[in-house]
Amino acid sequence: GENVEQHPSTLSVQEGDSAVIKCTYSDSASNYFPWYKQELGKRPQLIIDIRSNVGEKKDQRIAVTLNKTAKHFSLHITETQPEDSAVYFCAAPRDTGRRALTFGSGTRLQVQP
Amino acid sequence: NAGVTQTPKFQVLKTGQSMTLQCAQDMNHNSMYWYRQDPGMGLRLIYYSASEGTTDKGEVPNGYNVSRLNKREFSLRLESAAPSQTSVYFCASSGKDGQETQYFGPGTRLLVL
Repeated sequence: GENVEQHPSTLSVQEGDSAVIKCTYSDSASNYFPWYKQELGKRPQLIIDIRSNVGEKKDQRIAVTLNKTAKHFSLHITETQPEDSAVYFCAAPRDTGRRALTFGSGTRLQVQP
Repeated sequence: NAGVTQTPKFQVLKTGQSMTLQCAQDMNHNSMYWYRQDPGMGLRLIYYSASEGTTDKGEVPNGYNVSRLNKREFSLRLESAAPSQTSVYFCASSGKDGQETQYFGPGTRLLVL
């Protein structure tokens, strides 16, 4: 099965700075990599995902990059705002059947105003 | 559209008691999932159901059973609760398989004394 490692576990930035969270995965056949955001006391929600046929995807201030050779993908948040403060989870397909996901352990992002 | 709903929101059990967590979705999704979330450990998959009539074990299935009652409903049962099962439980659903957006319910906070 897939093994997903996520770093760092906590990240503190000043408002307006950029934040980068990195995940590595073990199964070279994996081809779908979503990122979820969970605000305090709320449910996780998808913010962006990338499939293996592209190397980068952007949506306003967030972007995800994928390096299939090195088996890692990263979430980039630019011009951070206090409302970006949350826990972010990466994920990858759990197995070759692609019927479920394995999640990383999460990164708590704190944006200081 | 209520999305994914879960009951109860909060439950206190004594060691050895049993209970069933209920989950329902109104998005006509094929796949449904049960996760537990513990501090610092991300979202760990307990069981999932790729389609009506099928269920599969996830990373941490011991001590749990599930039933995919119909396409809408997926329940999680604790037969004999243990303090180690104190956690927040999330149900989720996705349209086709694990490579589509997962929509999460609001969660059930379970405390086992």
